[in-house]
Amino acid sequence: AQSVTQLGSHVSVSEGALVLLRCNYSSSVPPYLFWYVQYPNQGLQLLLKYTTGATLVKGINGFEAEFKKSETSFHLTKPSAHMSDAAEYFCAVSETGGFKTIFGAGTRLFVKA
Amino acid sequence: DVKVTQSSRYLVKRTGEKVFLECVQDMDHENMFWYRQDPGLGLRLIYFSYDVKMKEKGDIPEGYSVSREKKERFSLILESASTNQTSMYLCASSTQLTSGRSSYEQYFGPGTRLTVT
Repeated sequence: AQSVTQLGSHVSVSEGALVLLRCNYSSSVPPYLFWYVQYPNQGLQLLLKYTTGATLVKGINGFEAEFKKSETSFHLTKPSAHMSDAAEYFCAVSETGGFKTIFGAGTRLFVKA
Repeated sequence: DVKVTQSSRYLVKRTGEKVFLECVQDMDHENMFWYRQDPGLGLRLIYFSYDVKMKEKGDIPEGYSVSREKKERFSLILESASTNQTSMYLCASSTQLTSGRSSYEQYFGPGTRLTVT
């Protein structure tokens, strides 16, 4: 069965600092991996996705994530945090050929001035 | 621009009432989903539909039903609302894949925050 673990329900960084949000997954088949962002009072929006091919994936707003099969990880990074990055971030996994997507519990990112 | 709309942003209902949450997408997507979102639990799948009149139970279907009479519309029904159904409800849609590459990315509506008193 698939599962997703996001380490840290809350992460706080200073503006300009590196953002690192951790995600580990379990899947019995090659997964598709996603990061979504949710701003206050809004639905989720896709940040980036990994399906096949290059393991370093670039997304919107300067975010990127690297698929590491040996570590079953898909951590999200951004070199320099901006105040507008404050939001909740969800890692998600789906299996090829399946309809269902499993979401992690979410990590709320706080950015300090 | 893709769009998923939900009928209400905020809803307050009384225990025992029948509640309808409506979702409409304009992307001609085959798949539609209903999730509930609770703090610390992420998103949990209630029901999904991969075609008109087709539905499949998700992880937490108890106390809910769904209806999909048209491709663009997917309704979530709380037959008899209870206080433990107070939550944020999110609708999403995705395209169905044919051969070749696939993405499974979902497009979300803004959510309905339901309070049952």
